[in-house]
Amino acid sequence: QKEVEQNSGPLSVPEGAIASLNCTYSDRGSQSFFWYRQYSGKSPELIMSIYSNGDKEDGRFTAQLNKASQYVSLLIRDSQPSDSATYLCGSSGTYKYIFGTGTRLKVLA
Amino acid sequence: EAGVAQSPRYKIIEKRQSVAFWCNPISGHATLYWYQQILGQGPKLLIQFQNNGVVDDSQLPKDRFSAERLKGVDSTLKIQPAKLEDSAVYLCASSLNGGGYEQYFGPGTRLTVT
Repeated sequence: QKEVEQNSGPLSVPEGAIASLNCTYSDRGSQSFFWYRQYSGKSPELIMSIYSNGDKEDGRFTAQLNKASQYVSLLIRDSQPSDSATYLCGSSGTYKYIFGTGTRLKVLA
Repeated sequence: EAGVAQSPRYKIIEKRQSVAFWCNPISGHATLYWYQQILGQGPKLLIQFQNNGVVDDSQLPKDRFSAERLKGVDSTLKIQPAKLEDSAVYLCASSLNGGGYEQYFGPGTRLTVT
């Protein structure tokens, strides 16, 4: 069974700090990786996609991919209370599109 | 650009009844997905369409769930008969062309089976 694993949290960080969210995947055939944000009672919203090893930055968000270690992370700089949500990691490749169970982030004002 | 549309947004039915959900993807998106999301879990893929063909339905409980995308655009997911454990949010998503592309989700349908 190919899986995407995330720590369910909650991960609590103070306002203005860097939040670090991590994800590991088991399918070495995975080629595409995605981070989604999901507010309570809402549907997932795409934050970033990453396809190559290394870092990809978009505003306050940085996605990091290490295919050798089968590891994906999302850094949120200058965290705001509005960033409090569940963050879903998804991968796509050899098998079906698979999501992790999500990490709940709480940014404390 | 209009997003993924879904209806209804909420539905309450009794067990053994039937229910249908509708989804209209982003214009031009060839791939359409139906997911089931149970509270506290990540979305689970039920079925994936590429145009009007099924790419993956390995996790679709085919004894009670069915889905179609007849003209390669909008899609319907049906449950008949419903069970208590079907209570979940049903999410529709679309992507430009296949699993390697970014998916965009609709608002979802919250189903409660009593």
